[in-house]
Amino acid sequence: GENVEQHPSTLSVQEGDSAVIKCTYSDSASNYFPWYKQELGKRPQLIIDIRSNVGEKKDQRIAVTLNKTAKHFSLHITETQPEDSAVYFCAASKGRGYSTLTFGKGTMLLVSP
Amino acid sequence: ETGVTQSPTHLIKTRGQQVTLRCSSQSGHNTVSWYQQALGQGPQFIFQYYREEENGRGNFPPRFSGLQFPNYSSELNVNALELDDSALYLCASSPVASGGPETQYFGPGTRLLVL
Repeated sequence: GENVEQHPSTLSVQEGDSAVIKCTYSDSASNYFPWYKQELGKRPQLIIDIRSNVGEKKDQRIAVTLNKTAKHFSLHITETQPEDSAVYFCAASKGRGYSTLTFGKGTMLLVSP
Repeated sequence: ETGVTQSPTHLIKTRGQQVTLRCSSQSGHNTVSWYQQALGQGPQFIFQYYREEENGRGNFPPRFSGLQFPNYSSELNVNALELDDSALYLCASSPVASGGPETQYFGPGTRLLVL
């Protein structure tokens, strides 16, 4: 089955710096890659996603890049703010019409003022 | 916030007991997936329901079972609870489309503690 590796497990940055989280996946048939943000005690919330027919997607301070050949994708957060502090999960999915998500183990991002 | 709701929010059970968790999907969503999230880990897929039938299952034993109702709400049942079943149980709903995987929206979860 699919295996998703995520690095780093923890990331500390100063406010205003950029943060990058990287994930690799094993199943070349995977074609959908969402990123979720989970604050302590809260539900995972989708922040951005990308499909395999696109190489990059941006939404304000957040961007995701996908390299299908290397089977890795990355989350980029620019101009980080303290409210960006949370655990971030990458995931991979495949299939038509319905599918399941395989998650990485998460990255705890801490943004210091 | 998504329109996915779960009940109860917290639950304490003892080993060997049975538990039922409930999920109401977001309006217009006909697929519900259940995930188990242990402390400090990413969510792990348990199973998915589409049109009241199990549509896929992760690496969980048969004592984990589920149902989906005609209104697309769903239940997760766990029999013979074990200490390792202590976790946050998340449900996620998604619409079904013919073009590929659809975004899953998570509920707030039910935190289960097994003593």
